[in-house]
Amino acid sequence: SQQGEEDPQALSIQEGENATMNCSYKTSINNLQWYRQNSGRGLVHLILIRSNEREKHSGRLRVTLDTSKKSSSLLITASRAADTASYFCATDSGGTASKLTFGTGTRLQVTL
Amino acid sequence: GAGVSQSPRYKVAKRGQDVALRCDPISGHVSLFWYQQALGQGPEFLTYFQNEAQLDKSGLPSDRFFAERPEGSVSTLKIQRTQQEDSAVYLCASSLRLAGGKSYGYTFGSGTRLTVV
Repeated sequence: SQQGEEDPQALSIQEGENATMNCSYKTSINNLQWYRQNSGRGLVHLILIRSNEREKHSGRLRVTLDTSKKSSSLLITASRAADTASYFCATDSGGTASKLTFGTGTRLQVTL
Repeated sequence: GAGVSQSPRYKVAKRGQDVALRCDPISGHVSLFWYQQALGQGPEFLTYFQNEAQLDKSGLPSDRFFAERPEGSVSTLKIQRTQQEDSAVYLCASSLRLAGGKSYGYTFGSGTRLTVV
């Protein structure tokens, strides 16, 4: 079953604008990860934020984590057409398998 | 290799046919995962291997699904007597992470798209 929800389900912006996606989850976590998936392709790991971190940056990406609200956000600044993809948050609750539980995803469309 | 390799890329199976999906993880990655992704959904966990040991198979939807990793590298996901509801993309991922160790992101393969007709 999916861990939580992402919103919006779909987002359409123009190149150069910022895109913000939100993720909520249900259980305590070890870390939270964001992935990008282009149509018909595998997932690409973008960034990992640990449960004791509140904010993390990587290039044009900024991730925040609020464990008290069980939520995270992904901000993509100065978006490009190549950022068009589906974005998924995934939680790692630790344990033996450290399996990821994915959200439902946000489809981002960046137009010229 | 440089990434996680999955084959075949596409598979069409007649209902009732058995299929085998292959995953070549990144060399040195002891952790290997299989996920199932239905159209328009996020991936869902199927099973996990640490080296050759299958430590978690709680996500396998039925006893028709079987996975193995006999030598701790290549893994095969087998589906017996395929049904239409098995149609999905099957993703393999590998990770450096060991149980109780530091967390790393996963590297996913491009997946196998299975269509059961």
